[in-house]
Amino acid sequence: DAGVIQSPRHEVTEMGQEVTLRCKPISGHNSLFWYRQTMMRGLELLIYFNNNVPIDDSGMPEDRFSAKMPNASFSTLKIQPSEPRDSAVYFCASSLVETDTEAFFGQGTRLTVV
Amino acid sequence: GENVEQHPSTLSVQEGDSAVIKCTYSDSASNYFPWYKQELGKRPQLIIDIRSNVGEKKDQRIAVTLNKTAKHFSLHITETQPEDSAVYFCAASNPGSARQLTFGSGTQLTVLP
Repeated sequence: DAGVIQSPRHEVTEMGQEVTLRCKPISGHNSLFWYRQTMMRGLELLIYFNNNVPIDDSGMPEDRFSAKMPNASFSTLKIQPSEPRDSAVYFCASSLVETDTEAFFGQGTRLTVV
Repeated sequence: GENVEQHPSTLSVQEGDSAVIKCTYSDSASNYFPWYKQELGKRPQLIIDIRSNVGEKKDQRIAVTLNKTAKHFSLHITETQPEDSAVYFCAASNPGSARQLTFGSGTQLTVLP
């Protein structure tokens, strides 16, 4: 398995533009997590899905952020409109909830909003 | 919800010395405690984990201890090497939260040659 795959790896966009980050979890995993990492706030959980259903989105900073998981092999995190303070590294991770396995992280997307 | 505190935020040791990173958690229902290592510009990767039915676990130079009563767990790295330099994160999760991980704030470990 290629692991958790995220795209793009880097994204630079202008303030006000829509940004879509993509994630393909490990095949067979049924939990998917979106994290944001910044120097100031560390690793923050934004939202997680279990069997494609959003379970807890309390970490989503505001309505500009939305996430979907239309099927077991794909998820998106969208920011609209983007702001400079959204600049961060966004990680997707997946796991198999029933077996207490580790959460595997993707390589991350480094987002810069100018 | 769960709250995980991690100390210290930075740690410098001489090569060959030991390093200890400590974490506390708030939710007594938490029963899974992984440790992740993140090298600069890379993703966090699991290095060791422990479950609440075990007090200590060791893997070569790395060990983790858990005190459920005090809600403390610690990472111990012996015979440190320069390649151990990275940011280390502790985390906690419980079955009631469908295994979502709450992370500590991270410890930047620097091993000086």
